[in-house]
Amino acid sequence: GAGVSQSPSNKVTEKGKDVELRCDPISGHTALYWYRQSLGQGLEFLIYFQGNSAPDKSGLPSDRFSAERTGGSVSTLTIQRTQQEDSAVYLCASSLSRLEGTDTQYFGPGTRLTVL
Amino acid sequence: AQSVAQPEDQVNVAEGNPLTVKCTYSVSGNPYLFWYVQYPNRGLQFLLKYITGDNLVKGSYGFEAEFNKSQTSFHLKKPSALVSDSALYFCAVNPRRGGGNKLTFGTGTQLKVEL
Repeated sequence: GAGVSQSPSNKVTEKGKDVELRCDPISGHTALYWYRQSLGQGLEFLIYFQGNSAPDKSGLPSDRFSAERTGGSVSTLTIQRTQQEDSAVYLCASSLSRLEGTDTQYFGPGTRLTVL
Repeated sequence: AQSVAQPEDQVNVAEGNPLTVKCTYSVSGNPYLFWYVQYPNRGLQFLLKYITGDNLVKGSYGFEAEFNKSQTSFHLKKPSALVSDSALYFCAVNPRRGGGNKLTFGTGTQLKVEL
């Protein structure tokens, strides 16, 4: 079946512009996650949606970052007034969310964001 | 707060030799532990996870990992490395209690398998 898809695959923007990154999770997966992968810094958790519960936003680095998940499916990560330090690969993952903590997360290919 | 350490940025091994990629964690109690692999320009792929039971976990592509509670380690191993195993490997932890499903990842270890 189809995996997690993300769009665009690459995004180049100018400092100060807003960007939107999209994630389509695997059908039926109730949990959705956003991570950021910066060079030499591994994966950094950003935000986590679980069904209809309030999202866990504890990883968002600043109030310029926000995300929403519409209809329990597609998610959009928005970065306002982009800065050069926002340049990274943004990864989305989804999971079935059965027993808490045990989920296997399935990752999309990522969106490479470059802020000039 | 939980953390994961991958002490080696890069591991080099000859094809056919055994490989080990190290991971240690700092979490109270009994966490859930995961290994993922990332090939160039690709997303992460799940390899294996430890939830409970047997400390030796077998996963995809011939990889295995051993949960060692006393050493707080979860090293990834393979008896005979292949050139195609060359990739970036990430260890991750979920604290089991109160962590929801989010994972804390290590910084990754680049594995290079040479002929």
